[in-house]
Amino acid sequence: GAGVSQSPRYKVAKRGQDVALRCDPISGHVSLFWYQQALGQGPEFLTYFQNEAQLDKSGLPSDRFFAERPEGSVSTLKIQRTQQEDSAVYLCASSLARGTGEGQPQHFGDGTRLSIL
Amino acid sequence: ELKVEQNPLFLSMQEGKNYTIYCNYSTTSDRLYWYRQDPGKSLESLFVLLSNGAVKQEGRLMASLDTKARLSTLHITAAVHDLSATYFCAVAANSGYALNFGKGTSLLVTP
Repeated sequence: GAGVSQSPRYKVAKRGQDVALRCDPISGHVSLFWYQQALGQGPEFLTYFQNEAQLDKSGLPSDRFFAERPEGSVSTLKIQRTQQEDSAVYLCASSLARGTGEGQPQHFGDGTRLSIL
Repeated sequence: ELKVEQNPLFLSMQEGKNYTIYCNYSTTSDRLYWYRQDPGKSLESLFVLLSNGAVKQEGRLMASLDTKARLSTLHITAAVHDLSATYFCAVAANSGYALNFGKGTSLLVTP
C-alpha cells in the first residue's frame, strides 16, 4: 500500500535560494506533521496540520519557514532565503488520529535531504 | 519543555546477547512510541505504549512503560545482525501535538 511520499529525495541549493519540499500523506490521514532531523540527532517538530488547518507552528525556526496544506492532503514546506544551518533531513509524517491522540503511530516518509552550499 | 533522554547512545553487542535501552522523559505523559531507523531510511513504528505498565513484544524486542517513573525500556533478546539500526523513543506531551524524540540509540550487532 502507499505510504507517505516525499519529494524531492535530495535537494541542493545555494545559500539565499528558496526551496519547496512536498509531502503526500497516506490517503485519509487527518494529521500531518513536519520534522527536521539533523545528522546524528532525533527528529525535531516543526509544524502540525489537522486537515487544512495549521494548528501548531511553534517549531518553525524562523519566519523564513512556511508550510501549507491548502486542501487537507498534500503539504508543502517552503524555506525562503536558505542558510547553511537549514541543511538537514526534513521528514513528513501522517496519522489517522487528531494530533497524538488515540495512540495512533505517526507514519513517516523517507524524507528530503536538503544541503545548502 | 518535554525532554527525552535515551541511553546508551551507542551500543555494540554480540549476536545472541541480551541488552536493554532506556528512555527517560521529563514531564507527565501516557503515550510513548518506539521507532527504528535504518541508515538513509525513514522511521518505522515498532511499538505504541499507552498506559502505565504497558508491555508489548514483537519478535526479539520487548518494550515497557512505567509512567510513574517516566521510564520506558526496549529489551533485546538474543540479538541478531538484522537488528542493527538506530532506535528512537518519542513521547507525546499530554498537551500539544508534537512527538518529542530522544537522540536515538545506534545499535550494532556483531557476529
